[in-house]
Order: sequence, then structure tokens, then C-alpha cells
Amino acid sequence: GEDVEQSLFLSVREGDSSVINCTYTDSSSTYLYWYKQEPGAGLQLLTYIFSNMDMKQDQRLTVLLNKKDKHLSLRIADTQTGDSAIYFCAESMNSGYSTLTFGKGTMLLVSP
Amino acid sequence: DVKVTQSSRYLVKRTGEKVFLECVQDMDHENMFWYRQDPGLGLRLIYFSYDVKMKEKGDIPEGYSVSREKKERFSLILESASTNQTSMYLCASSFSQGTGANVLTFGAGSRLTVL
Repeated sequence: GEDVEQSLFLSVREGDSSVINCTYTDSSSTYLYWYKQEPGAGLQLLTYIFSNMDMKQDQRLTVLLNKKDKHLSLRIADTQTGDSAIYFCAESMNSGYSTLTFGKGTMLLVSP
Repeated sequence: DVKVTQSSRYLVKRTGEKVFLECVQDMDHENMFWYRQDPGLGLRLIYFSYDVKMKEKGDIPEGYSVSREKKERFSLILESASTNQTSMYLCASSFSQGTGANVLTFGAGSRLTVL
């Protein structure tokens, strides 16, 4: 079945780059997503990538996809204390009628 | 902006009580979802719905039911609450985008404690 794995915790200093990694098992995954959850809030979509792409950049965020290794990463440049949150990787297949499978989330702690 | 509103942010119920968690979205989304979030387990899908009066089981439907009588409202029902249903419950909605991505918009969550 589908499985999405993430490391549970990452700690960085303000101004450094953060890289959050994710692996997935289902080779038919079509879309891969990154969501952010701040304390006491629901999840907020950061970005998503179609599986025929290998990179997507949006301001401080860079998503890299290695489809051969089923590896997805989220790089946050110039990490700020406001980036402290839980980051979830998710996958879906085929079309908009599929559901998302989420990883367990990576807690990012940014220290001043 | 799409808004997904969960009516109760915090609830405390007793074992055996019937519990209703309500979710309303205001952007005419076809798809609605209920997840529960537990430390170390991430998000797990309970039920989802692609249309009014339609429901599908997710990964952990046992002990739950749902109702979707109107397009904008998706209710999660715990017929007889148990302590292992203490959790954060997240509602989400989406529409099918032209690209085929299923972009979910989440509510703020309902934290349920069952004593």
C-alpha cells in the first residue's frame, strides 16, 4: 500500500537553509504536496509538484523530486523563526478524485 | 479565500456519549474529508465524500459515521465515544483542479477529549 516517510524532527539556526526530506513507496503517485501546520492551526498548502517535474521553486521554497528514488525534499532558504512548524509531505494518484496519503510530519524548530 | 469552518475548537465528552463534529465550507467544493491527527501517527483519513449524500470509508472508519445532506456541510459522528477517540479532528475540502491535483483546504481543527 501507499506509505510516506519523513524524519520527525529538524533543528536549524535562523538564516540557515532547512531541508526536509520525504520518501514514498507508490511509484504511481502523480502529485506530491507539502503542507505546513503552525501550532493550534490546521494544515496550509505550501506547494505541490506534478510527478513529471523534477524541481519547483516559489520564493524561498524549492521542491526537488527524484522520481527514480521516490524521494521528495523541501528546501527553505534563509529560514526564519516564523518557519517553525510541522511540515507534512503527502502524495496522491491519478486525478482529483483520489485521496491524499500524508507522512507523519517533520517538526522544524528554528532558533535565533 | 476558501474557508473551512469547524464549529467546535475544543470539546470534552464522556465515554458513551454521542458526539457530532460539524464542518462547513463556503466555496462550493465537491470533496470533503475528515482526518484525525495523533502525535507520532500523523494524519489518518476517517471518511470522505465526493458529493451530497455520498460517503466513502477511509483508512480508519471504525467507530465513526458521517453525514452529508448539503454540499457545504460534512458532519462526523461518534455514536458512542470512547477514550481512544481522544484526538485532533481535521476537516478539509477540495475541488478537482484542471491539473488533476487534489488541493485540500483545512479547517483549524477540533480537539476532542473523551473522559
